[in-house]
Amino acid sequence: KAGVTQTPRYLIKTRGQQVTLSCSPISGHRSVSWYQQTPGQGLQFLFEYFSETQRNKGNFPGRFSGRQFSNSRSEMNVSTLELGDSALYLCASREPGQGETQYFGPGTRLLVL
Amino acid sequence: GDSVTQMEGPVTLSEEAFLTINCTYTATGYPSLFWYVQYPGEGLQLLLKATKADDKGSNKGFEATYRKETTSFHLEKGSVQVSDSAVYFCALSPVGASGSRLTFGEGTQLTVNP
Repeated sequence: KAGVTQTPRYLIKTRGQQVTLSCSPISGHRSVSWYQQTPGQGLQFLFEYFSETQRNKGNFPGRFSGRQFSNSRSEMNVSTLELGDSALYLCASREPGQGETQYFGPGTRLLVL
Repeated sequence: GDSVTQMEGPVTLSEEAFLTINCTYTATGYPSLFWYVQYPGEGLQLLLKATKADDKGSNKGFEATYRKETTSFHLEKGSVQVSDSAVYFCALSPVGASGSRLTFGEGTQLTVNP
């Protein structure tokens, strides 16, 4: 099976812009979660989607949003970018009922200038 | 809330040395516990996991035992290789809750010298 894929892998934006990141889960996985990784804060949970519904949300401002499509692909959007949004954004997928293990993609590295 | 504490890094070892990376957690109930590894420029790879007390997870020579009494999940390897150089993350996932979210430790940078 193909693993979790994320596009784009690298992105440079300027403050105030918005950005959309995409994640395709492992085939058959219906749950997609997003995490932000920064040197200062480490790995932090953003949100989880299952069957097109947000099930869980981390402690991030409303500028961070996401959605999931009927084919389980997910996008996350960050509006009004700030310098502090520079990070590696990781997507993970799992299939509920097959255990709690989440499988991660390679990440999208976002740099905000 | 849930939390995971890892031993402070970085850790530098010589090839064939014994490795221990300490991990303790705070959580209600019986969470699932994981070790993930991140190589430079890559995402996270699952290394091993344990889902209940006294379970031992193992993979590629790495082992960790779920200790409920000490709320610990220490990672060990008897003989490290240069290729084991990476960042290691301990994580937990609550069981029984709606949905799933991983809580991670700070990560431990391991460097193995030849």
